[in-house]
Amino acid sequence: SQQGEEDPQALSIQEGENATMNCSYKTSINNLQWYRQNSGRGLVHLILIRSNEREKHSGRLRVTLDTSKKSSSLLITASRAADTASYFCATDALNNAGNMLTFGGGTRLMVKP
Amino acid sequence: KAGVTQTPRYLIKTRGQQVTLSCSPISGHRSVSWYQQTPGQGLQFLFEYFSETQRNKGNFPGRFSGRQFSNSRSEMNVSTLELGDSALYLCASSLLGGAAVDTQYFGPGTRLTVL
Repeated sequence: SQQGEEDPQALSIQEGENATMNCSYKTSINNLQWYRQNSGRGLVHLILIRSNEREKHSGRLRVTLDTSKKSSSLLITASRAADTASYFCATDALNNAGNMLTFGGGTRLMVKP
Repeated sequence: KAGVTQTPRYLIKTRGQQVTLSCSPISGHRSVSWYQQTPGQGLQFLFEYFSETQRNKGNFPGRFSGRQFSNSRSEMNVSTLELGDSALYLCASSLLGGAAVDTQYFGPGTRLTVL
């Protein structure tokens, strides 16, 4: 079963605009990760944020984590057509013995040139 | 380093058959996880292997099984295929598995179609 929801399910913006995607989850976590998937291909890891971190940056990506609200957001600044993809958040639940990511439903982002 | 590789990339089977999918992790990675992706259920965890032992298992029937070899390569097997098993099967590897900052790297997936 999925850990939580992503919002919005689909997002269409113009190149140069910022894109914000939100993720909510249900249980306490070790970390939360964001992945990108292009059209039914494999997942590309974007960023990992630990449960004791509140914000993390990587290039044009900014991720926030609010463990009290069990939510995270991914901001892509100055979007490009090449950012068109599906974006998934995935959580690694607290006390997991090993790897067992639980994914959200994803946000389909379309960036129009 | 080479990334995670999965073979075959595409597979067509009929109901009732069985199938074996293969995954080669990034060199040095000891943890291999498998996920199923379908339009209806999204991405769901199947199982994880670490040092040839199944360490975690998702909520899938016993028709889904896997194993890991001493070189960390992994295979998953689905027996008595059903139409609903049509999916993209993704394999992911990580260095240790379970550490709070251990990133999972995914392969390109195997697209299984059951007719």
